Amino acid sequence: DAGVIQSPRHEVTEMGQEVTLRCKPISGHDYLFWYRQTMMRGLELLIYFNNNVPIDDSGMPEDRFSAKMPNASFSTLKIQPSEPRDSAVYFCASSFAQAIQYFGAGTRLSVL
Amino acid sequence: KQEVTQIPAALSVPEGENLVLNCSFTDSAIYNLQWFRQDPGKGLTSLLLIQSSQREQTSGRLNASLDKSSGRSTLYIAASQPGDSATYLCAVLSGGYNKLIFGAGTRLAVHP
Repeated sequence: DAGVIQSPRHEVTEMGQEVTLRCKPISGHDYLFWYRQTMMRGLELLIYFNNNVPIDDSGMPEDRFSAKMPNASFSTLKIQPSEPRDSAVYFCASSFAQAIQYFGAGTRLSVL
Repeated sequence: KQEVTQIPAALSVPEGENLVLNCSFTDSAIYNLQWFRQDPGKGLTSLLLIQSSQREQTSGRLNASLDKSSGRSTLYIAASQPGDSATYLCAVLSGGYNKLIFGAGTRLAVHP
């Protein structure tokens, strides 16, 4: 398996624009997680899914953030409208049950 | 609320030294504890996972211990090498949830 695949690797956008981050989990994994990493706050869990169903979205900072998982092999994290304080590295991870979480390489988002 | 603390924040050692990284957590009701490695600009790589019922796990030159009652874990790296230079993150999976709570990490530099 190629591991968790995220796209794009880098995204530069202007404030107010819509941003969509994409993730393909490892085949067979039933959990998918979205994290955000910043220098100030470290790694924070935004939302996670189990069998494509959102289980806990308490980490989603605002209504501007939304996440979907239409099927077992694809998830998106959308920010609309984006703001400069959303600049961070966004990671997607997947796992089988409560075992090791495997992380993607991340998307580095810069909102100007 | 679970909080994870890692000490020291940064560490610089000469090649060949044995070293210990520390992790503490405030709520002992954890499902497991994981140690990750993060290289600059990259995602996280899982190093070791210790279930709550276990005391330690070993992989090559790495040994992680867990003392749940005192809320502590250590990562021991034997005979350090320049290739071990990275940030090491500790994370706990709290019981009843599937949320990994991360520490801020220890930035390790091993110089030749």
